[in-house]
Amino acid sequence: DIQLTQSPSSLSASVGDRVIISCRASQTVRTWLAWYQHRPGTPPKLLIFDSSSLESGVPSRFSGSGSETEFTLTINSLQPDDFATYYCQQYHGFSPTFGQGTNLEIK
Amino acid sequence: QVTLRESGPAVLEPTQTLELICSFSGFSLTTSQMRVAWIRQPPGKALEWLARIDWDDDKFYNKSLKARLSISKDTSKNQVVLTLANVDPDDTATYYCARLRPNFFGSGSCFDYWGQGSLVTVSS
Repeated sequence: DIQLTQSPSSLSASVGDRVIISCRASQTVRTWLAWYQHRPGTPPKLLIFDSSSLESGVPSRFSGSGSETEFTLTINSLQPDDFATYYCQQYHGFSPTFGQGTNLEIK
Repeated sequence: QVTLRESGPAVLEPTQTLELICSFSGFSLTTSQMRVAWIRQPPGKALEWLARIDWDDDKFYNKSLKARLSISKDTSKNQVVLTLANVDPDDTATYYCARLRPNFFGSGSCFDYWGQGSLVTVSS
């Protein structure tokens, strides 16, 4: 199975900051990578698919980039609602896998 | 409007079989490219994909759990059923069903709609 490693595992930031979360795949996934936001007590929410496509209804301060094995999620001008855990997920082939998560906390 | 909802037991004893039902609306599993999956999250841990069923009844399983998992669909009821045999405390988790985003160019996809999740605890 393809392993995904996210960095950092946790991150402290302030409202208005820009943050970047990385996701590295153990082998190429081309651009078959998605990002999710997960708040406690709610299901994960799809933010980005196909590495850089913004899901409908997601604010434009979220953006994704990358290909093959290196990917990033950037959040510009952090808002209070953005403090959550973020997961990357690859879907290259029939066995999708998730990263271990990045916990974004308020500084 | 797409919705999914999980139902099943909240508590199980070790060695029992877990059966979870995903009831969905807003799409049909008879439509080409429609797929539904199950994903779980143990407390404090990451998300783990379990299984997937496609509109054409293709089924795919997490290799590490394949021997214990089974997925099926009832298109007349708009339901997908997951069974996990011989549970143990490590199977304690919130179980989610989710729809795969239609993807005409690849064999897999991401998950665009999720149920609220069903917490299952395995304890004697």
